[in-house]
Amino acid sequence: AQSVAQPEDQVNVAEGNPLTVKCTYSVSGNPYLFWYVQYPNRGLQFLLKYITGDNLVKGSYGFEAEFNKSQTSFHLKKPSALVSDSALYFCAVRDRVGTDKLIFGTGTRLQVFP
Amino acid sequence: SQTIHQWPATLVQPVGSPLSLECTVEGTSNPNLYWYRQAAGRGLQLLFYSVGIGQISSEVPQNLSASRPQDRQFILSSKKLLLSDSGFYLCAWGRQGTYEQYFGPGTRLTVT
Repeated sequence: AQSVAQPEDQVNVAEGNPLTVKCTYSVSGNPYLFWYVQYPNRGLQFLLKYITGDNLVKGSYGFEAEFNKSQTSFHLKKPSALVSDSALYFCAVRDRVGTDKLIFGTGTRLQVFP
Repeated sequence: SQTIHQWPATLVQPVGSPLSLECTVEGTSNPNLYWYRQAAGRGLQLLFYSVGIGQISSEVPQNLSASRPQDRQFILSSKKLLLSDSGFYLCAWGRQGTYEQYFGPGTRLTVT
């Protein structure tokens, strides 16, 4: 069965420092991977996806993610964190082939301190 | 461009009362539609999934039901709410054959 894991409930970063939010996956077949962000009392917003191609994927708001097949990871990164990046981040993976469904991780809360 | 609407934004209902939450999508046709529940501000649980009018897949057994009376309308219902139905309900849409989903603003339901 397809799954993703976000091992950290919360990540704390000082403003201006680089940030990493971790995600590992377990899939049969080629992984289709996604990152979403959720601000308080809002719906999720799509940040970026990996389907195929370059292992470094660039997305919205200066975020990027690195696909690592050998480590089965898809970590979200940003070179310089902003206080406004504070939010809940979800990693997701495509469910089995033939269904247009995603399986979401449990989420990681990012707190950026001024 | 495409937009997704959900209403109401917040709702407080007594136990045993009925529920109807509505979701509509504009600017696209024949979308996949999804209902999720988010409890305690964390994980997402897929409740229902639809690939077309009248085609509903229920992902978990529960007190809720869903309907898709029109191509871009998705309704979440209950005949009698339970306390455990409280949560943040999110509707999402996606293009068929792709995997990206786009979420509405959500409805916060409190059952008292």
